[in-house]
Amino acid sequence: DAKTTQPTSMDCAEGRAANLPCNHSTISGNEYVYWYRQIHSQGPQYIIHGLKNNETNEMASLIITEDRKSSTLILPHATLRDTAVYYCIVRVVASYGKLTFGQGTILTVHP
Amino acid sequence: ETGVTQTPRHLVMGMTNKKSLKCEQHLGHNAMYWYKQSAKKPLELMFVYNFKEQTENNSVPSRFSPECPNSSHLFLHLHTLQPEDSALYLCASSPGQGPNTEAFFGQGTRLTVV
Repeated sequence: DAKTTQPTSMDCAEGRAANLPCNHSTISGNEYVYWYRQIHSQGPQYIIHGLKNNETNEMASLIITEDRKSSTLILPHATLRDTAVYYCIVRVVASYGKLTFGQGTILTVHP
Repeated sequence: ETGVTQTPRHLVMGMTNKKSLKCEQHLGHNAMYWYKQSAKKPLELMFVYNFKEQTENNSVPSRFSPECPNSSHLFLHLHTLQPEDSALYLCASSPGQGPNTEAFFGQGTRLTVV
């Protein structure tokens, strides 16, 4: 699976959009971009995934650049409960749900 | 609530003890996983089971012994652990192959080896 690079930490004001970047310059054509988050001492939670088109669900939006070498997770209206570690993961479709986690980005949402 | 339940939530055990961690899912998933998360480190995949068969063991020491009696249950048997094995142990399940196979995680078992 391709390696990803994320900033170590980010801050966001409550009610504002949180934009979390991820670089995956070695991504292959058959690899998807997944985002998970982990709230302190809990299990990771799936957020969203995509291949090359932008995706949106009730939790977030995923913007993938045209060359697929980077992506941005957008939380449109961050709340205090969105404070967590956010993981950007690239994986081959056929690898079942197996995930390779990096260090992720610690997002702190403040009042 | 993710549909993946782990018990116990917390466990303290001595180095000579034998204990087991349990994971249960009723999501109809075919694949189950054990992950380990040590302090200040990323989650590490330990074992993968597909349709009750172990398909991956990431060089995990033999003092960790997984068991998957059916597609809904996964155990991690522990014996003669070391203090450095203290960590959060997470179980996950997923439907199988394909892009829409996001993994669902349990809340984890916080293990302390004394």
